[in-house]
Amino acid sequence: AQKVTQTQTSISVMEKTTVTMDCVYETQDSSYFLFWYKQTASGEIVFLIRQDSYKKENATVGHYSLNFQKPKSSIGLIITATQIEDSAVYFCAMRGFASALTFGSGTKVIVLP
Amino acid sequence: GALVYQYPRRTICKSGTSMRMECQAVGFQATSVAWYRQSPQKTFELIALSTVNSAIKYEQNFTQEKFPISHPNLSFSSMTVLNAYLEDRGLYLCGAIQGYEQYFGPGTRLTVL
Repeated sequence: AQKVTQTQTSISVMEKTTVTMDCVYETQDSSYFLFWYKQTASGEIVFLIRQDSYKKENATVGHYSLNFQKPKSSIGLIITATQIEDSAVYFCAMRGFASALTFGSGTKVIVLP
Repeated sequence: GALVYQYPRRTICKSGTSMRMECQAVGFQATSVAWYRQSPQKTFELIALSTVNSAIKYEQNFTQEKFPISHPNLSFSSMTVLNAYLEDRGLYLCGAIQGYEQYFGPGTRLTVL
């Protein structure tokens, strides 16, 4: 069985700074996929970024980047130059190929002006 | 592009009654559909993973008797919450899976009175 753990429940940061969120996972699979999503105030789930376990290079999309440390089973999310609209709940998740996701408990990010 | 629709977006039902929700994939073929529930202030729990022409796999704490799922083709799935009670309230998400990708619908928010 897979397990995803996010220990930070809430983080507040000033606008235009960088925020880092932690996530560790457990899996018996040799190949797997790691994701970060954000949930907006309306409840909508928005896909942000993905890391494939076999890739050593950290994924980067826009102002989102990942800190993938496979030996530590860790996949941190880094948001640079934060904006007010980045305020949301961020979920780390993982799955195998064509299977369902296992989600972490979420980290609420509050970006202050 | 790939889109996933869910209907209804919001619904209210009386305790002990049942309600059906639908999930429609547009622009791609979803080989599998995962149904999740997010209870208030909680993370997303996988209810079941449905693959066309295969048995539906329910997670622990969720049963076919309580959450029957229909998945007749590669673009449509429905799930019914039978005999709903207060603990069934929350946001029900449909995740349509095509290989590496999983596309989420906007969710059906269930309120139980």
